[in-house]
Amino acid sequence: EAGVAQSPRYKIIEKRQSVAFWCNPISGHATLYWYQQILGQGPKLLIQFQNNGVVDDSQLPKDRFSAERLKGVDSTLKIQPAKLEDSAVYLCASKRAEQETQYFGPGTRLLVL
Amino acid sequence: GESVGLHLPTLSVQEGDNSIINCAYSNSASDYFIWYKQESGKGPQFIIDIRSNMDKRQGQRVTVLLNKTVKHLSLQIAATQPGDSAVYFCAFDGNEKLTFGTGTRLTIIP
Repeated sequence: EAGVAQSPRYKIIEKRQSVAFWCNPISGHATLYWYQQILGQGPKLLIQFQNNGVVDDSQLPKDRFSAERLKGVDSTLKIQPAKLEDSAVYLCASKRAEQETQYFGPGTRLLVL
Repeated sequence: GESVGLHLPTLSVQEGDNSIINCAYSNSASDYFIWYKQESGKGPQFIIDIRSNMDKRQGQRVTVLLNKTVKHLSLQIAATQPGDSAVYFCAFDGNEKLTFGTGTRLTIIP
């Protein structure tokens, strides 16, 4: 079974620029999550999708971050405009709706200069 | 509010010895706990989980202990190997959302 795929793996941008990350979850996983992991910390949830609907986006900074999962499979996370403090690893995770274990992708490492 | 994971930031263990990684949590309503391993440049990898109606669960070379009285969770790794070098996170699953601890970096001494 293929794991969660994410791209790009690395991205360097300047502040105020825009950036987008892509996630392809494990096949059959209805629930998808985006996490932000700042260096030296544990991952922090940004948004949770169930199929193509948002379950929880209470921790998403909506003035600059947006996410979508239009067809209930792949998802994109966008930052516009980026700030220096957005430098982090952005992790995507997925799970089956009826199970509890979340499986994580390798992450996208973002550096904002 | 909910919080998980006062961890010691680092732990060094001799190869072949047992490792014990500890985690404290504050939310008494927590009912499902997970340990994740994160190697450099990779995403967190599920190791083992435990529900609040249990106090111990064993996997292959790993054991998780849960003490609900003092709100303490531990991960024991038997016969630690170089491949066990990583950051270990405890996490609490509440309503299908994970809250992660601060993590412990385990270093294996040859």
